Formats: sequence, structure tokens, C-alpha cells
Amino acid sequence: NAGVTQTPKFRVLKTGQSMTLLCAQDMNHEYMYWYRQDPGMGLRLIHYSVGEGTTAKGEVPDGYNVSRLKKQNFLLGLESAAPSQTSVYFCASSFRLGSAYEQFFGPGTRLTVL
Amino acid sequence: GQSLEQPSEVTAVEGAIVQINCTYQTSGFYGLSWYQQHDGGAPTFLSYNALDGLEETGRFSSFLSRSDSYGYLLLQELQMKDSASYFCAVSSGYSTLTFGKGTMLLVSP
Repeated sequence: NAGVTQTPKFRVLKTGQSMTLLCAQDMNHEYMYWYRQDPGMGLRLIHYSVGEGTTAKGEVPDGYNVSRLKKQNFLLGLESAAPSQTSVYFCASSFRLGSAYEQFFGPGTRLTVL
Repeated sequence: GQSLEQPSEVTAVEGAIVQINCTYQTSGFYGLSWYQQHDGGAPTFLSYNALDGLEETGRFSSFLSRSDSYGYLLLQELQMKDSASYFCAVSSGYSTLTFGKGTMLLVSP
């Protein structure tokens, strides 16, 4: 099992450009999450999904959109990138209702917006 | 909302014992999790406490006091490889976690 994978690993964007980050998991987990991590700020939840076809906002959703068309994939989109979105983005998954305390993380995507 | 407080940095020497504290304020509480993150890596799950008391997993133990809104992670027989950031996180519902800002542990020879 590959666990949680993220594509790409690194990306540099110019202000105003758009991009999509892809997260895939092969553990048949129901719940998937997108976090951003900035120095000294810990992990902050952007959006999450409790099942195929569902999404919900987290703590810092502005400037991002997500989709969960297939159970194993969770996409994070930036429609018009801003320098404030320079961060490390982590995707995570958890098995089912009541197991959100144990999340499995991907290796991260390091995004720089110039 | 939720807020969590943990020290920003802790230092210790190999073989020692170190305790990382976490206090939280949350509108609802189901449990406290701990995660480890090595520099540049993915966070990995260490432990979870839903009830008061101590949970032991090898060299690591985690404690929770729900009445005090307080928990800690105890690392024994420290090794150089334990140098990492440690995050506490609260479950205030069934779906999500709220993470603290992390404690950087530096283990020296």
C-alpha cells in the first residue's frame, strides 16, 4: 500500500496563476483533509470531506476550492494564487466516523507563490 | 472555537525523560491526540487519549486530565532520532482535529 500520496511535491507559481493539488489514498478511508502548515502556525485545516461527493470548510478556506469526485481522491484548487498562499500543504485521511483522531498524512506539497 | 497551548521548544539530552505539556480550551471535547513530525516530513500519529489517565506505547506515554483541560506527552530514554516537532490536537467533534502550534524537541548527545 502506498498510503497517502500527493502530487506535485514542489511547485512555484506566479501571482494570479491557478493550480490543482492532487491527493490520493489507497486505504479505503472515508474522511480526507487538506491542511496548510506555515512556520510557527502548526497545521490549519483548509477543507475536508466526510465521503465521496461531500466537502466542508475548515478553519482557513478562503482562496481555495476542493472536490471529492472519487472516494480515493481529494483535489485542492487555487483559482488565483497569492503570495499569502505560499506554504506547505498536507493531505490526510482517516478511516471513518469517530476515527478522526488518527489521521494518515501524505508527504506534503511545497508551494511558493511569487 | 478551540485553542491549544504548548511550549514552542524543549531541549534535553540523550537518555533523559522529557514531558511536553498541552492545555486546551474547546467548546466540545472528545479526546487529545499527539503527532510527531520530523523536519520536512509528514506528521505521524503517536497516541490518543479519550479518557483520563495514562496511555503507554513503548518509550512514549500520554496523559489526559479532562477536568483540568490538560494533557502531556512523556518521552523516556530519549534518543537523537526523537528530535522532532510534537503536536497536540483536540477532537471536538467526530470529523476533524484542531492542532496546536507544535513543540520542537531538541535532543543533544
